[in-house]
Parts: sequence; C-alpha cells; structure tokens
Amino acid sequence: GAGVSQSPSNKVTEKGKDVELRCDPISGHTALYWYRQRLGQGLEFLIYFQGNSAPDKSGLPSDRFSAERTGESVSTLTIQRTQQEDSAVYLCASRQATANTEAFFGQGTRLTVV
Amino acid sequence: GQNIDQPTEMTATEGAIVQINCTYQTSGFNGLFWYQQHAGEAPTFLSYNVLDGLEEKGRFSSFLSRSKGYSYLLLKELQMKDSASYLCAVQPGGYNKLIFGAGTRLAVHP
Repeated sequence: GAGVSQSPSNKVTEKGKDVELRCDPISGHTALYWYRQRLGQGLEFLIYFQGNSAPDKSGLPSDRFSAERTGESVSTLTIQRTQQEDSAVYLCASRQATANTEAFFGQGTRLTVV
Repeated sequence: GQNIDQPTEMTATEGAIVQINCTYQTSGFNGLFWYQQHAGEAPTFLSYNVLDGLEEKGRFSSFLSRSKGYSYLLLKELQMKDSASYLCAVQPGGYNKLIFGAGTRLAVHP
C-alpha cells in the first residue's frame, strides 16, 4: 500500500479481555516499530523488528504484551488480560533498512479499556 | 541508559522565529530526527542530522552538536498551522532503534 496501515483505528474492550492490533507496513520496509502514546505524552518505545526478528523488545511493559511479524510484512501486537492503564494510542512505524531513512507512521489504534 | 530531554511547552507569535532544544544521552549515536505531530494525527518527518552542523529545509532548520549531545529545531516565519508537538528522536548505535523524547508542544498565537 501507499502508507502504513493500522487496524482497527479504534478499539474499546473490557478489562481482562485480550486484544490484537495489526500493522501493515510499507512494502519493502524491513524495519518496523511499535510505540505507545498516552494522552498528551510522548512516544514510548515498545518493540522493534528487523525482518521477522525482534532485536529489541526491551520496551514491552509486561509479559501481557507480545508482538510478532511474519513474511517481513504484517505485524501483530497482542495485549492479554487488558488493564485500564493500557488505554493509549498504539502507533506503528516502518522504514527501510538503512539508518538514515525516515520512519513512516500509521494513524494508530486508539485503545480504550473500560 | 537512554535519555532525551525537550521543553514541555513553548509559545510564540505568528511571523516570529522559535528554537526548540533537545539534549540527549544515549549509549551510542547514529543520527537524530525531528518529527512534527498535530493533535490526533501521526508524526511526520521533518529533518535528519548525523553530522555536526546545520541542515536547512525551507522554513525549518535543524542543528546538531554530537560532542554536546545537543540539537535544536529552528522554525522561521511561524504560521498558525505550525502549532503542533515537535518530537526529537535519537538512533543509538547498534540496531536501528529509534527513541523519542516526550515532545515539545508549540502554540503559535496571532
């Protein structure tokens, strides 16, 4: 596609339920990032993929959070047993492999845990 | 550890010049990015610096001093549409990880 696509755009879930957030990066972009942005805050790094492997998953807040990437394309961020503090916008970004290229962001998934 | 600091908020007048500073302490350095984010929207790329000095792009310029761990974004001829958050992001050495500061909210007034 022309840009980074994330789905769903909005998700309201009950506390304790599991959610899956999807990111379709720009075709050919080998690097993929997940960030969390709470209201009025900056971008909190969660995990980074190079191809299908995750060299750095140090930002995942707890073992309730996991992510995978397949085919060097689509990535899924899964949050198990959601808590109210998980409410935030989850942003995905992708870019080409070289270090001096810009990252392109999707519009994000706004997650609300009630 | 990794630390990126920016002022939380700034205000400026339409037509004026504003400088947004960013200081960083990271384990290695492999480039610094500035992004703009309007409320409710995704961040968009503004500039990239990896060598010391000034990079100019229209009304926006970005400066880097690696020895001081310091960068600034300079916005000239401010317009109302420049009201947004400005995010400084550093790429530490090693893998191509991008770490963002908390962002600076800029309000431009008539």
